[in-house]
Amino acid sequence: RKEVEQDPGPFNVPEGATVAFNCTYSNSASQSFFWYRQDCRKEPKLLMSVYSSGNEDGRFTAQLNRASQYISLLIRDSKLSDSATYLCVVIHLPYSGGGADGLTFGKGTHLIIQP
Amino acid sequence: NAGVTQTPKFQVLKTGQSMTLQCAQDMNHNSMYWYRQDPGMGLRLIYYSASEGTTDKGEVPNGYNVSRLNKREFSLRLESAAPSQTSVYFCASTLQGVNTEAFFGQGTRLTVV
Repeated sequence: RKEVEQDPGPFNVPEGATVAFNCTYSNSASQSFFWYRQDCRKEPKLLMSVYSSGNEDGRFTAQLNRASQYISLLIRDSKLSDSATYLCVVIHLPYSGGGADGLTFGKGTHLIIQP
Repeated sequence: NAGVTQTPKFQVLKTGQSMTLQCAQDMNHNSMYWYRQDPGMGLRLIYYSASEGTTDKGEVPNGYNVSRLNKREFSLRLESAAPSQTSVYFCASTLQGVNTEAFFGQGTRLTVV
């Protein structure tokens, strides 16, 4: 089983709709979680951190379910500009240092908002 | 605050040529990483460095070498470029042990012909 898994999509969603996607992780020792956004041919950039209590930033809501080992991202009132690839990032601490990497990326979910 | 700076942004190499991709961060981060990303694919870890003086192989290290010159700089070297190494390369850094995000450089688009 891969450490971090995401549905690659694409998710084709009409403008104004609500869309949600999940990311599952296999390492129960994972401690930090993030959603990144990557536009075509650009570097990934932090969208939001994911806290245990869940958090919201405008139209975006992130949640963590430790029992089932997944995080989710909900986008409300989607805009054309939300079209991008969304990467799930998981960090497990402490870093072992000697061969294991604590920073693990999912392969991303491709979202296309259609007018 | 520049963050993570990668050079060059674009490069075309002939098969067999060598080159070094440079990466520097000014955020006093412990850990630095090199990833490659092929069209339609996710990020694949080439090498990483948990601290100055240490480096470790990632998922796809073959054909690459790295050097953590100091805390700020982490370079990636292709000794004999091959067409299979055509990709976009990203450098990233993070403050190990703290709940902070990873920051990325703008990427190097490398084509090997």
